[in-house]
Amino acid sequence: GAVVSQHPSRVICKSGTSVKIECRSLDFQATTMFWYRQFPKQSLMLMATSNEGSKATYEQGVEKDKFLINHASLTLSTLTVTSAHPEDSSFYICSAKLSGLSGSQYFGPGTRLLVL
Amino acid sequence: KQEVTQIPAALSVPEGENLVLNCSFTDSAIYNLQWFRQDPGKGLTSLLLIQSSQREQTSGRLNASLDKSSGRSTLYIAASQPGDSATYLCAVQGAQKLVFGQGTRLTINP
Repeated sequence: GAVVSQHPSRVICKSGTSVKIECRSLDFQATTMFWYRQFPKQSLMLMATSNEGSKATYEQGVEKDKFLINHASLTLSTLTVTSAHPEDSSFYICSAKLSGLSGSQYFGPGTRLLVL
Repeated sequence: KQEVTQIPAALSVPEGENLVLNCSFTDSAIYNLQWFRQDPGKGLTSLLLIQSSQREQTSGRLNASLDKSSGRSTLYIAASQPGDSATYLCAVQGAQKLVFGQGTRLTINP
């Protein structure tokens, strides 16, 4: 099946620093990738939709200047949390979608971010 | 706005029992519905995907049904095992995005 990887799996950083998370589709090309955030014991909330070669579409309430998304190739999307603060600590999960509206999304293993 | 609700929020049963997890959604205009499993601190594992034109899907001990008109889906787990313990999430795919329920935290007791 389709495999999506994320790197790093876990990161601890100081408040005010920026953190980059990579999402890769390993054995397929994904024109669309998604970034989700999951707080403890809560469900996944979509942050933004990333289309290769174009600007990401952010969900309401998500600051695009804080969560920078780049989707430069068909197999890689990056999420940069700029000037991270403790309230940004969360589990970030990406997914990559096969083409077509009914195509499945394949999820990465997630990145645990802890901001001190 | 699509809303997805899962009941119960948590469920604890003895090993060997058959069980049903419920998922309901408010907008029936969906492309598909997926059931996922999530282990603590881990990502999602897709279990079953039901296209909007389908009524059910089966994989091993798992069976998922979809009644799009009533906005309901069920995940049936037969002969439960301790290894089935996890959080089960359902999600519906609309025109724009995948919307998740809050999940059912399942514990199978040996």
